[in-house]
Amino acid sequence: QKEVEQDPGPLSVPEGAIVSLNCTYSNSAFQYFMWYRQYSRKGPELLMYTYSSGNKEDGRFTAQVDKSSKYISLFIRDSQPSDSATYLCAMILPTGGGNKLTFGTGTQLKVEL
Amino acid sequence: DSGVTQTPKHLITATGQRVTLRCSPRSGDLSVYWYQQSLDQGLQFLIQYYNGEERAKGNILERFSAQQFPDLHSELNLSSLELGDSALYFCASSAPPLVDTQYFGPGTRLTVL
Repeated sequence: QKEVEQDPGPLSVPEGAIVSLNCTYSNSAFQYFMWYRQYSRKGPELLMYTYSSGNKEDGRFTAQVDKSSKYISLFIRDSQPSDSATYLCAMILPTGGGNKLTFGTGTQLKVEL
Repeated sequence: DSGVTQTPKHLITATGQRVTLRCSPRSGDLSVYWYQQSLDQGLQFLIQYYNGEERAKGNILERFSAQQFPDLHSELNLSSLELGDSALYFCASSAPPLVDTQYFGPGTRLTVL
């Protein structure tokens, strides 16, 4: 079993829809939780990061972390065609002065006109 | 543009060969991370350096090695290359204390024939 599980999709939604992307994890020692967006095999771009359980909002994006359930989510409101990309969740395990990151496999999202 | 540069953009080589990938972090960033992204494995964390010192190791093969130089640029050396090493290799950098905010470079696409 992988430490981080993420549905690969593809997920197709109409423009303006609310998108929900999710990851589950098994290692309770993960401390930071992040969401990255990756266009066409380019370098991932950090969208959101959070440390604690709860919600964090930034514009149309809301990141939600539930440590008790080992479950994180990213919500995208008023989705746009430009949001079409692969979304990767990532988690940091601090290790003796460094940071070991584990990524989900990514969910491919397509927002259609 | 994230400010992280990687060279070369593309590299085609044969099995058994050795290659070196180069990364220059954003100005002021002390941490450099290396990742491998393949279609079947997703984005895999390889290794982290901080100000010239190795800080964390992920799923890095013994045939692979890295170092960070006094000017903070980093090199990833891949030797005895196999077909399965064909992938995108990303470098990311971050600056303390925001070690969770990583900026990714555009990647080097390695093809092993």
